[in-house]
Amino acid sequence: DVKVTQSSRYLVKRTGEKVFLECVQDMDHENMFWYRQDPGLGLRLIYFSYDVKMKEKGDIPEGYSVSREKKERFSLILESASTNQTSMYLCASSPFDLAGGPGEQYFGPGTRLTVT
Amino acid sequence: QQPVQSPQAVILREGEDAVINCSSSKALYSVHWYRQKHGEAPVFLMILLKGGEQKGHEKISASFNEKKQQSSLYLTASQLSYSGTYFCGVDMEYGNKLVFGAGTILRVKS
Repeated sequence: DVKVTQSSRYLVKRTGEKVFLECVQDMDHENMFWYRQDPGLGLRLIYFSYDVKMKEKGDIPEGYSVSREKKERFSLILESASTNQTSMYLCASSPFDLAGGPGEQYFGPGTRLTVT
Repeated sequence: QQPVQSPQAVILREGEDAVINCSSSKALYSVHWYRQKHGEAPVFLMILLKGGEQKGHEKISASFNEKKQQSSLYLTASQLSYSGTYFCGVDMEYGNKLVFGAGTILRVKS
């Protein structure tokens, strides 16, 4: 079974702190994604990566950065956390699809981040 | 550019049918459907590709109207286990990323 794990289920940080959210997948997937989930807004893509050291901005990248030094690990960084970044953060991975489009995504359990 | 899902929420009794719609303002290359149960991660249901190909679970059916830029998910003879939030994700750029709708909350009662 594909397994996507995230470093914490719950995290509480103070405004201005630097926050690291880690995601690890064990299925050798090329693509990895970071989403935030807020009530009524669905899943919004922050960043994604299709290869080691490669990254692309999603729909809401402001205030975030990412790092992918190894294929299995994708980190989301909040350089200076703010209260409006309080949210559920979901990581996902997917294999490269031979047809060229997005493949099936496997999601991690999520990290609920609260910034006070 | 987020696709619009309708209805926002629906309550069914066991055995009833439901249809969840996903509509985009842009041309689509594929539509993906996921279900998220309360407190759990979203789980893949199916992919509908331009040209008619489908990949996914046998017990779930869906349609993709490329001209209307719409997809519908059909849940027949609903069971309690169908409860959850259903998301459609659309590929508008023929790439590796999806844009998800806001979700449809489905509750099945006994």
